[in-house]
This record gives sequence, structure tokens and C-alpha cells, in this order.
Amino acid sequence: GAVVSQHPSWVICKSGTSVKIECRSLDFQATTMFWYRQFPKQSLMLMATSNEGSKATYEQGVEKDKFLINHASLTLSTLTVTSAHPEDSSFYICSAQTRTSSYNEQFFGPGTRLTVL
Amino acid sequence: KQEVTQIPAALSVPEGENLVLNCSFTDSAIYNLQWFRQDPGKGLTSLLLIQSSQREQTSGRLNASLDKSSGRSTLYIAASQPGDSATYLCAVGAQAGTALIFGKGTTLSVSS
Repeated sequence: GAVVSQHPSWVICKSGTSVKIECRSLDFQATTMFWYRQFPKQSLMLMATSNEGSKATYEQGVEKDKFLINHASLTLSTLTVTSAHPEDSSFYICSAQTRTSSYNEQFFGPGTRLTVL
Repeated sequence: KQEVTQIPAALSVPEGENLVLNCSFTDSAIYNLQWFRQDPGKGLTSLLLIQSSQREQTSGRLNASLDKSSGRSTLYIAASQPGDSATYLCAVGAQAGTALIFGKGTTLSVSS
């Protein structure tokens, strides 16, 4: 149980285009989903926290108009990178937490590798 | 602001050795601590989760300890194998329902 999927696993796009990344909890309802970004040789940095049915909370320095997050259902959150530029190239990972997770355990997706040309 | 540090950044050992990976955090007021494994270009695999009230957790050849008061955790890997080669990440959770704060990881290489 507790499986989180991400789609696509990798994407290459031209500068200026928008890219949507999906994060799904396959066998549980995720009341909260987190989006992280990981640059090469660096650790995971939180971008935003997404709660079902409400607006996402963004970390300082993350542009909310550039990284659009929608958590429309208890099993799906999407991250849209708008007008992507080469500096947005990174590894994007989501995690999900269920309401019944009393230990704050988070379950991570396999990640999406974004390359902007 | 919580900061998580992992030492060493990289470690190379021959197969069969026992080894210890270190993690320290600046704010001892944590809810839990989690150790993950990350293979190159892949996502995270959860290894062990330790609640703030616990001292250690074990899974197979892995043992993680937590000393909250001193802001330290260690991951002990017994009888290392080449398949253990990966980056090991330590992450702390401040409260229930909040995101994790990660260290930069220790990249382990086990040679046969």
C-alpha cells in the first residue's frame, strides 16, 4: 500500500512552454501533498504544500504564478511549470500524506526529470 | 530555522564492512526523523521512520538511532553489499502534517 505515482517520469520541452506534472496517490486519500525540487548534487527543497480543496502554500522564493499547483481531489495534485526556462530544469518530486498517517509519514513519488532547452 | 547536516558527504567501503552514517539537526524540537535511500536519477525509498519518542528503529541490516536532545541520528548498515550503493538522505519533520527538511545526503559506494 501507500503508493504514489508521478507522470511523466521525464519531459523535455522548449523554453517558454508550460509543463504539467501529475502526482497521484494510488491506494489512499492524500489530504496533503508536498512538492519538492532537487537540483544536481543538492538535497530536496520544499516548493509548496498542497491541501485538497484549498490554495497551495508556497515557500519563500518560489513564484506562485510560475509554479501553479492544483489539488482538486484527494488523490491528485498537479504542478504546472509555466513559461519554463532552462533554470527550471530540475528533478521534481511529490509526496503525499494521508489523514490517517499518525506518524507524519510521507510517501514519495518516483520523481519527474524536467529538462528545458 | 531547522538545518540538517549529513556527514560524510561521500563514503567508499569494501563489501562486508559495517558502517555508520551521521545526521545532525539544529532544532531538537522534531516530530520524527526519516532515513531514505535514493538511487541515481530515481525517487526516494523510505528506509526507517523514528518517532521523537523513540530511540531507534531496525529493519533487516539497518538500524537507525535518534538522540533528540543532542540533535543527532545515525544509520548503521551491517555487512554492507554492493547493492547498498546509493545516496542516503536524512529528513526531519517538525510537526505532524508538515513537510520534511532534508540533509544533502551521504553517497555510499560499496565495492565487491
